[in-house]
Amino acid sequence: GENVEQHPSTLSVQEGDSAVIKCTYSDSASNYFPWYKQELGKGPQLIIDIRSNVGEKKDQRIAVTLNKTAKHFSLHITETQPEDSAVYFCAASEPSNTGKLIFGQGTTLQVKP
Amino acid sequence: GAGVSQSPSNKVTEKGKDVELRCDPISGHTALYWYRQRLGQGLEFLIYFQGNSAPDKSGLPSDRFSAERTGESVSTLTIQRTQQEDSAVYLCASSLGGGSKNIQYFGAGTRLSVL
Repeated sequence: GENVEQHPSTLSVQEGDSAVIKCTYSDSASNYFPWYKQELGKGPQLIIDIRSNVGEKKDQRIAVTLNKTAKHFSLHITETQPEDSAVYFCAASEPSNTGKLIFGQGTTLQVKP
Repeated sequence: GAGVSQSPSNKVTEKGKDVELRCDPISGHTALYWYRQRLGQGLEFLIYFQGNSAPDKSGLPSDRFSAERTGESVSTLTIQRTQQEDSAVYLCASSLGGGSKNIQYFGAGTRLSVL
């Protein structure tokens, strides 16, 4: 089955700097890769996603890149702000008709003011 | 409230007791998922419901875990004879349909503590 690895587990940056979180997946048939942000005591919220027919997607300060050949995808946050501090999860959709997501272990991002 | 609603938000129980966790999906969402999140870990898939199709139970960790869904509405996850290793946050998500083309929206979860 699908396996997703996420790095780093923790990331600390200064406000205004960029943050990059990387994930790898094992099943080349996976075709959907969402990123979720989870704040303390809350459920995960989708912040951006990418499908396997594109290589990059941007939404304001957030971008995701996908390298299907290498089975890598990354989250890029520019001009980080203290409110970006949270746990970020990458996921890959298992190639079946259920759409169930296989999640990485999470990255705790701390943005220092 | 247009989001996914879960109750209770917190549940403390004694080892060996049964617990029931509830999920109300977003209205109109035919697909519903349960995931488990252990402390400091990612989410693990448990079970998936889509309309009237047979559920995908492939993620349930043991026969002490079961779930039901009434039509396309509320779902309950039941854990019998709880063990300490069952302590986790149980998250429910719903989407417009099954498959990877539909975004999953998550509830806030139920934090289960087994003493």
